[in-house]
Amino acid sequence: AQKVTQAQTEISVVEKEDVTLDCVYETRDTTYYLFWYKQPPSGELVFLIRRNSFDEQNEISGRYSWNFQKSTSSFNFTITASQVVDSAVYFCALSEGKDDMRFGAGTRLTVKP
Amino acid sequence: GAGVSQSPRYKVAKRGQDVALRCDPISGHVSLFWYQQALGQGPEFLTYFQNEAQLDKSGLPSDRFFAERPEGSVSTLKIQRTQQEDSAVYLCASSLGRSSPLHFGNGTRLTVT
Repeated sequence: AQKVTQAQTEISVVEKEDVTLDCVYETRDTTYYLFWYKQPPSGELVFLIRRNSFDEQNEISGRYSWNFQKSTSSFNFTITASQVVDSAVYFCALSEGKDDMRFGAGTRLTVKP
Repeated sequence: GAGVSQSPRYKVAKRGQDVALRCDPISGHVSLFWYQQALGQGPEFLTYFQNEAQLDKSGLPSDRFFAERPEGSVSTLKIQRTQQEDSAVYLCASSLGRSSPLHFGNGTRLTVT
């Protein structure tokens, strides 16, 4: 069963636009962790953020921000004032009681100059 | 180096050949994961080790796939009698432990002809 859904397969924006990448997850555990990873064209997955299920505070890191809402089982990622270097595939992931981490199918973001 | 190292970067195998993919995790990382990433897809979980113990192998697609980590450090993913559907990028990741962020290697791109 799909536990992490990223409904947006591809998004294209023009530089300086804001863009939000959606992530919806499914779990019966009360303790779990959510992640976002970036996979640039070079291929190596890079960790961006981790959130545990007990911390619903939104987080901001520079141009990046994350909105975690347990009521809708969503963990969305917003890039403000996007730049060409943000072009990549972004993956949302869920880690439950077992240690294995499950990834969504990814959203390919293209930022055009 | 300080990161996760995978070798070879590229592997071409004829259908029916056996292959062995190596992963050298970050020193001190007890958790090690293998993922399979098909073109345009998210990483699919294969197996997980905690030190030398293989705690989860539920993602291995068939009994042709075998992974080991005998001394709790380097891991090898072996695929016997390769098939064309095995063509993918095989990613190795390590972490400090339970639900910690994963550090990924660059992957091994396997092409079965």
